[in-house]
Amino acid sequence: QLQVVESGGGVVQPGRSLRLSCVVSGFTFTYYGMHWVRQAPGKGLEWVALISHDGITTNYAASVKGRFAISRDNYNNSVSLQMNSLRPEDTAVYYCAKDRYGSGSADWDFWGQGTLVTVSS
Amino acid sequence: QSVLTQPPSASGTPGQRVTISCSGSNSNIGNNYVYWYQQVPGMAPKLLMERNDQRPSGVPDRFSGSKSGTSASLAISGLRSEDEADYYCASWDDSVSGPVVFGGGTKVTVL
Repeated sequence: QLQVVESGGGVVQPGRSLRLSCVVSGFTFTYYGMHWVRQAPGKGLEWVALISHDGITTNYAASVKGRFAISRDNYNNSVSLQMNSLRPEDTAVYYCAKDRYGSGSADWDFWGQGTLVTVSS
Repeated sequence: QSVLTQPPSASGTPGQRVTISCSGSNSNIGNNYVYWYQQVPGMAPKLLMERNDQRPSGVPDRFSGSKSGTSASLAISGLRSEDEADYYCASWDDSVSGPVVFGGGTKVTVL
């Protein structure tokens, strides 16, 4: 059974760092791109970052470029999001989502339940 | 301000047909596929429609999608109480806004 499980959320002060992790099972991880998508409280979905199946291609939303970094470990079936210089506007539930394809698309067939990040002093 | 434009709300009574629009531009909907996601309150989003009009396995045929030019729409026929949720359109975008853009979401209420 396919599973996507995020962890690492919590409360952090502005300017500090946090690392989110997403562990998957139930499918051949090395075939598929992975994404992080976030949702601020009471707001809509915002795409954050993607990484291709082989980890060679990454891409970021303008709002996080230069501060966030996505990576993957194909041996341990995991993808991470390193978040630096956090701002209050980064407060959101962060979802990890599996792409149907290897290089990245807007076609995401499995999502985790999300992990909440709160940036506050 | 979302790149794709959706109405904030839509509603209908059980059994009715509800349509949600999603408007974009040539850099996104006009030259790329449209996807629709359903999000029940408190839950993760779920893929509802892919490649404009293809239903993933398990999605009822009450849901249908279409695309024309730089706009797309999602229709729900035979509205049911369990369809009450937020619906988001998404597309790849070839401009600096991308590569992935969402609509602001439409809250569907079953009256």
